[in-house]
Formats: sequence, structure tokens, C-alpha cells
Amino acid sequence: DIVMTQSPDSLALSLGERATINCKSSQSVLYTSNYKDHLAWYQQKPGQPPKLLFYWASTRESGVPDRFSGSGSGTDFTLTISSLQAEDVAVYYCQQYYTTPWTFGQGTKVEIK
Amino acid sequence: QVLLQEAGPGLVQPSGTLSLTCTVSGGSIRSNYWTWLRQPPGKGLEWIGYVFHSGTPTYNPSLNSRVTISVDTSKKQFSLKMTSVTAADTAVYYCAGARAGDYVWGYFDNWGQGTLVTVSS
Repeated sequence: DIVMTQSPDSLALSLGERATINCKSSQSVLYTSNYKDHLAWYQQKPGQPPKLLFYWASTRESGVPDRFSGSGSGTDFTLTISSLQAEDVAVYYCQQYYTTPWTFGQGTKVEIK
Repeated sequence: QVLLQEAGPGLVQPSGTLSLTCTVSGGSIRSNYWTWLRQPPGKGLEWIGYVFHSGTPTYNPSLNSRVTISVDTSKKQFSLKMTSVTAADTAVYYCAGARAGDYVWGYFDNWGQGTLVTVSS
């Protein structure tokens, strides 16, 4: 199985600050046949299902604010929130869909300081 | 907008069988790879398996021997059965849809609200 490791486990920032979440896969999730990274990011608020933020590592899902960005390739990926808002308090997960079993990172909890 | 809704018992006896259904509305049952995932209380997400309207389901090997996922296109539903459950199977169970192109793209843009299943006597 591909192991997804996120860092940090949690972070607390002030409103307006930049949040950076890292995700590392135990093997590359880049398909060389189409040069697409099979990596997604989700946001989960308490009591709600996860919400898709990005797929193909950096393709923003419709309706996701542009203060969110996804980057990286191969084994190292980053989710960035350029200016943290109160409504961004949530747990964020990365997920690889390069090969089954599809696997998730352990989650990063983002809070307001 | 595809809507998904899980249904099934919230309490299952240890060693019993967990059975859930997911009803698809607002879209075609033939368009996505229909998926089950779960999340133990306070923990992370685990992919259980998926099924297309045709073809063989694919399961997480860690659960493979206990899980069956099937689809009923006439009812626009897909189902999960998990046998020999223990307390470790207590979780919120989600149904979700995965998009596909020339192969299944395993990211999930549609989710049900989730249903808590507790395994306890």
C-alpha cells in the first residue's frame, strides 16, 4: 500500500496568516503515461463529509476559493491557504488514487490562534 | 448535482453483518464508480471499495474477505455488506462517487452525509 504522511498533524495560526500543509507519499503517484499526479486534497469540517478541494494535485474543484492552492509532484505535495479565514477551520486530508487501495493521509487539523 | 444518501441500521451485533445502501439521485447510476469509505470516530478515512454499473467490484485487500459491494441500477442504489463485524468496524460509513475517464479517477467529488454504524451487543 502507498503510505501518505502529512505534516504537521495540527497548526494554529492567526486570521490572515498563510497555512502550509505537506503531504508525502511512500512512492511516486505520477502516471508517466499522462503526466498526471494522482493526488487529491479534501477539507472536512466537524459533522460533515469531506469536501473535494483539488484533484490531479493542483486542479481546483469548482467553487473552492482561490486562497487555496495545491502544488507538488511525484512524492511531495503541498496545500496552501494564502490568508486563513475563520471558515477554513477544519481537518485537511490528502489522498492518492494512483493505485488501489486508495489511501489517505492521517489529516492535519487547522485552527485559529 | 448528484445527491447520495446512505441508509441502514445504526447498531450491529458483534459477529453480525453490516448492511448499508446508498441511493443516487440527480444523476445517472451508470456514470460514476460508486464507492464506500469509512471513518472511525475521531480518526482518518479508509477506502473500502468501489463498483461500476458493470464489471467486477474492487476492494481494499485489508477488508476483501468480509466485504461485498453491489449495484442495482433499476433502484439507482448501491450497497455494502460487511460480515463478521467487530467493535473495530464501528465508524461513520460514507458512500461517494468517483469520476472516470478511460480509467477510474479515484477522487471523490460527491459524498453522502455519512451514517454512524456502531458494533455492540
